[in-house]
Amino acid sequence: SAVISQKPSRDICQRGTSLTIQCQVDSQVTMMFWYRQQPGQSLTLIATANQGSEATYESGFVIDKFPISRPNLTFSTLTVSNMSPEDSSIYLCSVATGTGVEKLFFGSGTQLSVL
Amino acid sequence: KQEVTQIPAALSVPEGENLVLNCSFTDSAIYNLQWFRQDPGKGLTSLLLIQSSQREQTSGRLNASLDKSSGRSTLYIAASQPGDSATYLCAVVSFKTIFGAGTRLFVKA
Repeated sequence: SAVISQKPSRDICQRGTSLTIQCQVDSQVTMMFWYRQQPGQSLTLIATANQGSEATYESGFVIDKFPISRPNLTFSTLTVSNMSPEDSSIYLCSVATGTGVEKLFFGSGTQLSVL
Repeated sequence: KQEVTQIPAALSVPEGENLVLNCSFTDSAIYNLQWFRQDPGKGLTSLLLIQSSQREQTSGRLNASLDKSSGRSTLYIAASQPGDSATYLCAVVSFKTIFGAGTRLFVKA
């Protein structure tokens, strides 16, 4: 299993500012995933972060808006840049780990409100 | 393209009822399917994972089944309690992981 610490748990930000979300895992993992969950919606994958290489972004998400760092096998950050009210969502980090079968584990989420 | 649908979108039941949540998917070529619970404004807690070769998994009052040929999984909750109130999501894992929109469950005391 994996225990993921994510912070901040929530924040209220002004339009045009940036917020960096941190995710710490209690074990080494190859890939970390960042998701967005807009109000009342399901999860949408933003990007996959591998240590030592640039993150892979899904369609509709770009590095300038959501820069990601992955300095080692237990840590990653996601920055939401130049925020607008449309960025108000829950942001979640996730890892897939396990012996034989990989299971998804999630952090506690960051609830972001942009005014 | 894999599509995942969860029915019902919302459900309200009295305490003690047994209930079934449904998850349907369009492409049966999956590796596994995982059920999660999400409390408001929080992250996801894993409940059960069913591998593609399995038919069901059980944990306490929860039982999840998988029928790949029909593209369906069900989550059965026995003797529901107010503490079970949450949103339940299924995630279908193949080349990509696709989440359903979830079922919001409210268990009345």
